[in-house]
Amino acid sequence: QSVLTQPPSVSAAPGQKVTISCSGSSSNIGNNYVSWYQQLPGTAPKLLIYENNKRPSGIPDRFSGSKSGTSATLGITGLQTGDEADYYCGTWDSSLSAGNWVFGGGTKLTVL
Amino acid sequence: EVQLVESGGGLVQPGRSLRLSCTASGFTFGDYAMSWVRQAPGKGLEWVGFIRSKAYGGTTEYAASVKGRFTISRDDSKSIAYLQMNSLKTEDTAVYYCTRIVGAIDYWGQGTLVTVSS
Repeated sequence: QSVLTQPPSVSAAPGQKVTISCSGSSSNIGNNYVSWYQQLPGTAPKLLIYENNKRPSGIPDRFSGSKSGTSATLGITGLQTGDEADYYCGTWDSSLSAGNWVFGGGTKLTVL
Repeated sequence: EVQLVESGGGLVQPGRSLRLSCTASGFTFGDYAMSWVRQAPGKGLEWVGFIRSKAYGGTTEYAASVKGRFTISRDDSKSIAYLQMNSLKTEDTAVYYCTRIVGAIDYWGQGTLVTVSS
C-alpha cells in the first residue's frame, strides 16, 4: 500500500492527451514539491518533472505537471507509442521522521 | 555528464549480508545527498534511505522496512556511496538503484539485482 495513490493504468490513442493523478496528504504533497518519473520497460526510472511543474533539460514540453492541495497531476499531450511506460510520482513525507521519500504505486500508460 | 554505477549485487542466502557500491562521476559528489531506491520484480519503486552531504551533517534516514538492518555510508574522497545490507530477507529481493537527490531524485544508476534465496 503506497503512501501516494495513483491509478494502476491509463490508456489513450496516439496523438491524444492523458492525465495521471497522484493523491496524498498534508504530510507529503500538501507541503512539499512533487516530482514525476518515467520508467520505460527494462530501464531505470528517469526524472520527468520536478518542483511540481518544471521540466529538466531534454524533456519535451508535451509533458507537464501541476499540483493543487494534496494532489498532483502529470499531463502528456501528443501521445506517442514511445511514451508507453510506467509513471511514478514522488515527494518527501514528514509524517514519520525527519526525512522520508515516498512514491506512488505507479501507473502503466498504454498507447493504443 | 552525471553517471552513477552500482555494483555488488548477486545471489545471497537469507540472513546473510551484502554490500552495494555506487560510483559517481560528472559532479562534485560531496556536495550532494545520495539515496537508494529498490524495485522488487514486477513491483513499484520503494525508497530505501538516503545520506545527507557532509555540509548537512552526513546523517542518514531509512525506510521502516530496512531500518536497523541496512546502513548507508559515503566516501567523498572516492565519490562512492555504499549500502550495507545485513540480515537479508527474501522480501529484500529487488533491483537496487543508486540515486542523487536534490529535492527531487534527479539522477538514477542502471541498478543492480540482489536476489535473496536459499
